[in-house]
Parts: sequence; C-alpha cells; structure tokens
Amino acid sequence: KQEVTQIPAALSVPEGENLVLNCSFTDSAIYNLQWFRQDPGKGLTSLLLIQSSQREQTSGRLNASLDKSSGRSTLYIAASQPGDSATYLCAVNDLKFYFGSGTKLNVKP
Amino acid sequence: DTGVSQNPRHKITKRGQNVTFRCDPISEHNRLYWYRQTLGQGPEFLTYFQNEAQLEKSRLLSDRFSAERPKGSFSTLEIQRTEQGDSAMYLCASTWGVSGTSITDTQYFGPGTRLTVL
Repeated sequence: KQEVTQIPAALSVPEGENLVLNCSFTDSAIYNLQWFRQDPGKGLTSLLLIQSSQREQTSGRLNASLDKSSGRSTLYIAASQPGDSATYLCAVNDLKFYFGSGTKLNVKP
Repeated sequence: DTGVSQNPRHKITKRGQNVTFRCDPISEHNRLYWYRQTLGQGPEFLTYFQNEAQLEKSRLLSDRFSAERPKGSFSTLEIQRTEQGDSAMYLCASTWGVSGTSITDTQYFGPGTRLTVL
C-alpha cells in the first residue's frame, strides 16, 4: 500500500523567507502528484499538478519538483507572506489518491 | 462554472440515524471522488466514479456506507446507522480522467460536509 509522508509536520517562519516542504512516497509507480492548500475548516485548493513524465511545475511564487525514482517531491515557496499560512498537502495518484498528513505553515508578519 | 459544491455544509445527527450528503461536481468532469478527513490528518480515499460507474471502494467503506452517481452527474453518499466514529469532514472532488486508466487532470475539491454524530 502506498504511504505518503510529509515533513515537517509544522513550520513557523518570518515573512519573506523562502521555504521548502517535503513529500515522500513509498511506491514510485505513480501517475501524477498534486499539491494542495487547506485553510482551517475548509476544502482543499489545488496549487500544482505534476504528471509522472514531468520534473517540475511552477505557478507564481510556487515551484514543485518530482523525483519518481527516489519517491520525493518538494514544494518551494518563495518570499513567504502571512497569507500563505495554511496546511499544505501532497497527494499521489497510484490508481487511487493517497494523501500525506500535511505541513502546517505559519508565516509571521 | 462555480466549482464543486457540497450540501449540507454541516450535519449534526444522533447515533443510529441515517444521513445523506450530496456533491455536485464541475459539469465537464467525468470522475468524482469521495474522501473522509479527520482532524490533523490528510483526506482518506473512500470511493470514486467514472461517469455513473463506481469503480473503486476503500475497505474503509463499510456496508453502512453507500454512494451513487445516477446519470453521471451529482453524487450522494449515505451513511446508515451512524456511529460516533463516523464524525469527520466528508470531501468530494472531481476531475477529468481517461477511461480505463489512471490518467487524470487536476482534482478540484468541494468545501466539504462536516458530520457530527452525537
């Protein structure tokens, strides 16, 4: 069974810092990987989708990379802002979708 | 398109009662997923539909749970004889997928239905 792990579980940084969130998965035979943002009590907002044939995707201040062979993905957030505070989740598509438990990010003004 | 919608947003029920949730996906999406999320955890897959066909069910989905997607449009998730352990956020997502494969596009989630079983 696919297992998805996200490290760290929580992160607190001052505004303006660049930061990296990590996602690892145990079975490299995935079809794609998606990063989401979740605000407290709300649904998930899609940030980036990386297909298995791709190495990275970028959207604004966000960059996600995928290394299938090592079972890893990273989400890079540049110049963090207080509005980035949320829980970030990664999900791998392995016939079904498997989620990590998320990284709770707090960006302090 | 207004995105994925779910109703109700909140449901409080007594143990042993039946509840039904509805999900309206993005109209052009042929795949619809149901997940359950408890506090501090990521969503757990429950089931998914390709058009009106239910193609996969998690072992988490006991016989008290049933899902339908008549005509390949909206979907309902029913929980019979609710238990306190059913208290969770129930999330619906939709996407476009190639039939017979796991090739999919971006999943879009609804706001969820928060179930509290007293």
